[in-house]
Amino acid sequence: AQSVTQPDIHITVSEGASLELRCNYSYGATPYLFWYVQSPGQGLQLLLKYFSGDTLVQGIKGFEAEFKRSQSSFNLRKPSVHWSDAAEYFCAVGSFTGGGNKLTFGTGTQLKVEL
Amino acid sequence: DADVTQTPRNRITKTGKRIMLECSQTKGHDRMYWYRQDPGLGLRLIYYSFDVKDINKGEISDGYSVSRQAQAKFSLSLESAIPNQTALYFCATSAGQGSRQPQHFGDGTRLSIL
Repeated sequence: AQSVTQPDIHITVSEGASLELRCNYSYGATPYLFWYVQSPGQGLQLLLKYFSGDTLVQGIKGFEAEFKRSQSSFNLRKPSVHWSDAAEYFCAVGSFTGGGNKLTFGTGTQLKVEL
Repeated sequence: DADVTQTPRNRITKTGKRIMLECSQTKGHDRMYWYRQDPGLGLRLIYYSFDVKDINKGEISDGYSVSRQAQAKFSLSLESAIPNQTALYFCATSAGQGSRQPQHFGDGTRLSIL
């Protein structure tokens, strides 16, 4: 069965600093990987996705993520964090089951941005 | 208007009561999902449906049931609510074939069971 590990429960960065959120996955085949963001009182919004091809994927809000098969990782990065980026971030791996997709989520990383 | 709408947004109820959470979507997606979110546990899949006639259990289906009334509607029921079902519940939808299609989430229902 697939699994996702987000080792950092909380991260605090200063506004303008760079950000990297870690994600490690376990999956027997080629993974489909996603990053979602959840702002307070909101549902999850898709930031970016990786299916195949270029291992560096660009997403919305200036985020990017790099797929590294050798490390089973899909870390999320942003060069300069804005105060509005404070939220909870979830990494997920998708599996193909019976014609449809199922997502397995990590436990999330809460990002705090100091002004 | 939101593409995936969950009602109610908040609900407080008592142990033993029957509760229904509703989800409707205007995205035209075939696939719908119910998750619960607990602090420190992320999101866990309760049930999912690939079309109106196809319902599948997720990893934590005990104590829950679902109904897919139409392509656009997917309801989650707690037959006899218990306090450890207090959580934030999300409905999601996706389109197409395979796991390449991302899931789109509603804003959630916060359920408290006293």
